[in-house]
Amino acid sequence: DTGVSQDPRHKITKRGQNVTFRCDPISEHNRLYWYRQTLGQGPEFLTYFQNEAQLEKSRLLSDRFSAERPKGSFSTLEIQRTEQGDSAMYLCASSWYRGEAFFGQGTRLTVV
Amino acid sequence: DQQVKQNSPSLSVQEGRISILNCDYTNSMFDYFLWYKKYPAEGPTFLISISSIKDKNEDGRFTVFLNKSAKHLSLHIVPSQPGDSAVYFCAGDSGNTPLVFGKGTRLSVIA
Repeated sequence: DTGVSQDPRHKITKRGQNVTFRCDPISEHNRLYWYRQTLGQGPEFLTYFQNEAQLEKSRLLSDRFSAERPKGSFSTLEIQRTEQGDSAMYLCASSWYRGEAFFGQGTRLTVV
Repeated sequence: DQQVKQNSPSLSVQEGRISILNCDYTNSMFDYFLWYKKYPAEGPTFLISISSIKDKNEDGRFTVFLNKSAKHLSLHIVPSQPGDSAVYFCAGDSGNTPLVFGKGTRLSVIA
C-alpha cells in the first residue's frame, strides 16, 4: 500500500458542470476525511466517514456537494453545478480512528 | 471561530539556525496536537505530534513544546535546512471530531 491516492490530480471545468473526485485511502484505515484548501488557508474540514457511515458534515458543505464511501473502501466527492468559488485544492485523508491522518496529494479544481 | 491560530503567516531563518513556529488554540477539548508540513502542489505530510499529557516531544531535529495553561504550542527545528522550506500547519484533535487546522506558517530557510 503506497498511501492515500486521489484522482484526478487536476480538473478544469466550466461553471455549471458537475465534477466527481475519487479517493482511495490506506487500506487498513477506517476513517476517511475530505478537506478543502484555498490560498492562504489551512485545510478546512468538509466531511468524514467511519467505515461506510458518514459521521459528520461541515456547514461548508452545501447541498451541491455529496460524498459517498460505499462498502467502507474508496470515496467519491461530487460537486454539482460548480461555481467559481468552488475552485480549490480538495484533499482526502485517512486514519485508523483518531490521531495522525495521512493525506493524498489532492485534486486541484479550477472552475472557469 | 478559529480554534487553531497561527499568527505568523511567514518566517525566514538562516540555514543552521533555529526555526520556531508558534500555534495557539482555544478549544479546551483538544487533547492531541499535530504538525504537518506541506510543499506546493502536494498534500500535507505528518511531521510530529504531542499528547496533552506531555509538554515536550522530540524527533530528530524537530521538537514540539506544549504549554496547556497558555493554550500554546511551538515547533522547533534545529538546525534548519533549506529542505525545511515549506508551509507548516498546526492541528488540534479532540477525538470526537476531525482535525482542526490553523492557517499555516510559511517557513523559508535561507542558505
